[in-house]
Amino acid sequence: GAVVSQHPSRVICKSGTSVKIECRSLDFQATTMFWYRQFPKQSLMLMATSNEGSKATYEQGVEKDKFLINHASLTLSTLTVTSAHPEDSSFYICSAPLKLGTEAFFGQGTRLTVV
Amino acid sequence: GESVGLHLPTLSVQEGDNSIINCAYSNSASDYFIWYKQESGKGPQFIIDIRSNMDKRQGQRVTVLLNKTVKHLSLQIAATQPGDSAVYFCAENSGGSNYKLTFGKGTLLTVNP
Repeated sequence: GAVVSQHPSRVICKSGTSVKIECRSLDFQATTMFWYRQFPKQSLMLMATSNEGSKATYEQGVEKDKFLINHASLTLSTLTVTSAHPEDSSFYICSAPLKLGTEAFFGQGTRLTVV
Repeated sequence: GESVGLHLPTLSVQEGDNSIINCAYSNSASDYFIWYKQESGKGPQFIIDIRSNMDKRQGQRVTVLLNKTVKHLSLQIAATQPGDSAVYFCAENSGGSNYKLTFGKGTLLTVNP
C-alpha cells in the first residue's frame, strides 16, 4: 500500500508554545489529506480536511485559528497547534487516500504532550 | 450528527478461533466502508473495504459482510492469531465531494494463546 509518513512521532512542549506536525505522502501525490485527533481508548475524530492549494475545511467545533493547516504541496500537509495548552495533549493522526473514494492510508501518528 | 457505532467494545478469543467484530452504521447514504486495525501507539492500518453494491468481500483470512437492510457491517477473522490483537475500527464514507471517513467506536480484540 501507499506510505504516509508523519513527523514527529512524539513531542513535548510547554504551554503557550506552538507545535508543527508534518504529514507526507511518500510515494504518491495527495491533493487531499485528513487530520484526526484521538484521545486514549477512543475513536478517531476528524478535525479537518486539508486541500492542496486552498484553505482547509474544518469540522464543527474545531478552532481553525488554533489548529492551523497548510497544504502547500501535493506531498505535504502540516498541522500547527498554536498556543498549546495541556488540554491539547492528544494523539494526532493524518491520512491521505490514493484517490478520493478509496481507502485512506494513515501516518504513524504524533503523540503531543503539553506541559 | 450521524455516526458509526459498534456493539462490542471488547472481544477476547482463543488463538486459532474465528473472530467476528460487528459494527452498526446509521447513515443510509454511506456507500463505502473500511475496516482498520490499530495497534497501540500507531496509526490505523487498512484491512479490507467494501462498497455498497456488494454484500461480501474476502481477503486473506478476513471477510467483510455488509447488510444494508439493517445497516450492519462485520469483520470476520479466520484462525485468529496473537498478532491480530488490536483495536478494530469500522469507518464509513458517507459520500460527498471530500469522501470523509467517519469512524466507529472501536473494538479491542484480545487473542489468548
